[in-house]
Amino acid sequence: DAGVIQSPRHEVTEMGQEVTLRCKPISGHNSLFWYRQTMMRGLELLIYFNNNVPIDDSGMPEDRFSAKMPNASFSTLKIQPSEPRDSAVYFCASSWDTGNTEAFFGQGTRLTVV
Amino acid sequence: GESVGLHLPTLSVQEGDNSIINCAYSNSASDYFIWYKQESGKGPQFIIDIRSNMDKRQGQRVTVLLNKTVKHLSLQIAATQPGDSAVYFCAENPNQAGTALIFGKGTTLSVSS
Repeated sequence: DAGVIQSPRHEVTEMGQEVTLRCKPISGHNSLFWYRQTMMRGLELLIYFNNNVPIDDSGMPEDRFSAKMPNASFSTLKIQPSEPRDSAVYFCASSWDTGNTEAFFGQGTRLTVV
Repeated sequence: GESVGLHLPTLSVQEGDNSIINCAYSNSASDYFIWYKQESGKGPQFIIDIRSNMDKRQGQRVTVLLNKTVKHLSLQIAATQPGDSAVYFCAENPNQAGTALIFGKGTTLSVSS
């Protein structure tokens, strides 16, 4: 397996634009996580899915953020409209189980909103 | 609130020395812990894990120690190499239904040769 695949690796967008980040988890994993990483706040859990169902989205900053998992092999994180404070590295991770096994991380998407 | 924290934000060592990275956790119900290594421009990578029924676990050049009494976790790296330079995170599973791993803020390990 190629591991967790995220796209794009880098995204630069203007404030107010819609941004969509994509993730393909490891085949067979039933949990998927979206994290955001900044220098100030470290790794923050935004939302996670178990068997394609959102379990906890309490980490999603506000209504501008939304995430979907239409099937077991694909998830998106959307920001609309984007703001400069959304600039961060966004990681997707997947695991066999929600919190009781290791999570495998993708390479991340570095988002810059100008 | 409950959180995972780190005692030191940075650690500088000489090549060949042993490194010890510490982590404090506050949730006494946490039953599973992981150490991750993150190199620049990459995602966190699994190093080693430990469950709460153990107090020590060894891997290749790495050892994780768990002290549940004081809620402390440490990562020991033997014969540290320049390739070990990275940010190290501890993560815990709060052992509540439907919860995900919670990460600490990370310790930067810098190895000089």
